[in-house]
Amino acid sequence: ETGVTQSPTHLIKTRGQQVTLRCSSQSGHNTVSWYQQALGQGPQFIFQYYREEENGRGNFPPRFSGLQFPNYSSELNVNALELDDSALYLCASSLEAGNEQFFGPGTRLTVL
Amino acid sequence: GEDVEQSLFLSVREGDSSVINCTYTDSSSTYLYWYKQEPGAGLQLLTYIFSNMDMKQDQRLTVLLNKKDKHLSLRIADTQTGDSAIYFCAEGESSSNTGKLIFGQGTTLQVKP
Repeated sequence: ETGVTQSPTHLIKTRGQQVTLRCSSQSGHNTVSWYQQALGQGPQFIFQYYREEENGRGNFPPRFSGLQFPNYSSELNVNALELDDSALYLCASSLEAGNEQFFGPGTRLTVL
Repeated sequence: GEDVEQSLFLSVREGDSSVINCTYTDSSSTYLYWYKQEPGAGLQLLTYIFSNMDMKQDQRLTVLLNKKDKHLSLRIADTQTGDSAIYFCAEGESSSNTGKLIFGQGTTLQVKP
């Protein structure tokens, strides 16, 4: 059974650019949640996708958007990058919305 | 609002017990979790406790829940150097169907040989 995978591992962008991060959920899981973890902080919930629809959103601006595909993999898109977007972005999948979440290794985004 | 608080740092000697404490605010949380994060890595679920339980033991790990005081603790028996990591307490938000996790800021556990 393959766990949650994320790509890329690291990414460097400049302010104002756009970025797409990818996540493959664990086999059989239909729900993906995205979290932002700033340095020295706990993860903050961005949003969740359940069966290809957004199923809840945290306190993040609209320039953070997402997609979930029929195979339940997911993308996180961030437009108009700001320096404060520099963080570790974690994806977590679960069997169903509300169930135990299994985390991927994260993508480290640096915005210069 | 929802908030989870943890102490930032704990240092213990190898072989001693470690106790990491956490307070939370959502009294309706169904599940409370402990995650471990090693440097440069994602989160590993260590254990969780259902809100109607007082205690859960899993090998070297013991979770205690005081629902009245909204206090959660994680005890690691016979702490090893490999236990050095950041430990996060998290509550599952009860007001939505997402199971959104609300994390504390993490406790860095340093284990000295």
